[in-house]
Amino acid sequence: AQSVTQPDIHITVSEGASLELRCNYSYGATPYLFWYVQSPGQGLQLLLKYFSGDTLVQGIKGFEAEFKRSQSSFNLRKPSVHWSDAAEYFCAVGSTGTASKLTFGTGTRLQVTL
Amino acid sequence: KAGVTQTPRYLIKTRGQQVTLSCSPISGHRSVSWYQQTPGQGLQFLFEYFSETQRNKGNFPGRFSGRQFSNSRSEMNVSTLELGDSALYLCASSLLGPAREQFFGPGTRLTVL
Repeated sequence: AQSVTQPDIHITVSEGASLELRCNYSYGATPYLFWYVQSPGQGLQLLLKYFSGDTLVQGIKGFEAEFKRSQSSFNLRKPSVHWSDAAEYFCAVGSTGTASKLTFGTGTRLQVTL
Repeated sequence: KAGVTQTPRYLIKTRGQQVTLSCSPISGHRSVSWYQQTPGQGLQFLFEYFSETQRNKGNFPGRFSGRQFSNSRSEMNVSTLELGDSALYLCASSLLGPAREQFFGPGTRLTVL
């Protein structure tokens, strides 16, 4: 069965500092991987996705993620965090059959200090 | 293009009642999935519909059901509500086929008293 682990429940960074959110997955084949962001009271917004090809993927809002098969990881990064990035971030793995069933990690809540 | 819409946005029900939530996908999207989000269990997959047929189902009791109409709109129903059903219910739509990301609606916040 597929699973996702986000080891950090809560992270605090200063505005302008770099950010890395960790994600490890378990899946029998090459997975479809996603990062979503959720602001309070809102739905999920897709930041970026990995299906195949280049292991470094670029997303919206200046985010990027790197797929490392050897480490079963798909960490999210941003070189300079803005106060508006404060939110909850979810890593998800999709079934390669249709990718329509997503298994989510428990999320990482990001706090940004000014 | 309009996003995924969900109605109602907020609901308060009492134990034992039933509830129906509605989801309208992005135009052209034919796959609709439902997720439950709670503080304790996180985001959990409920089911997915395509062409009015349920394609995938998560590990939820039979009190949770859904359907999809010919215009791809979807409804989910929860019967005999329990306190533990209080959650944010999220609907997502996607294009048919593999490697298709899902676009989420704002959710319906259900509170069971």
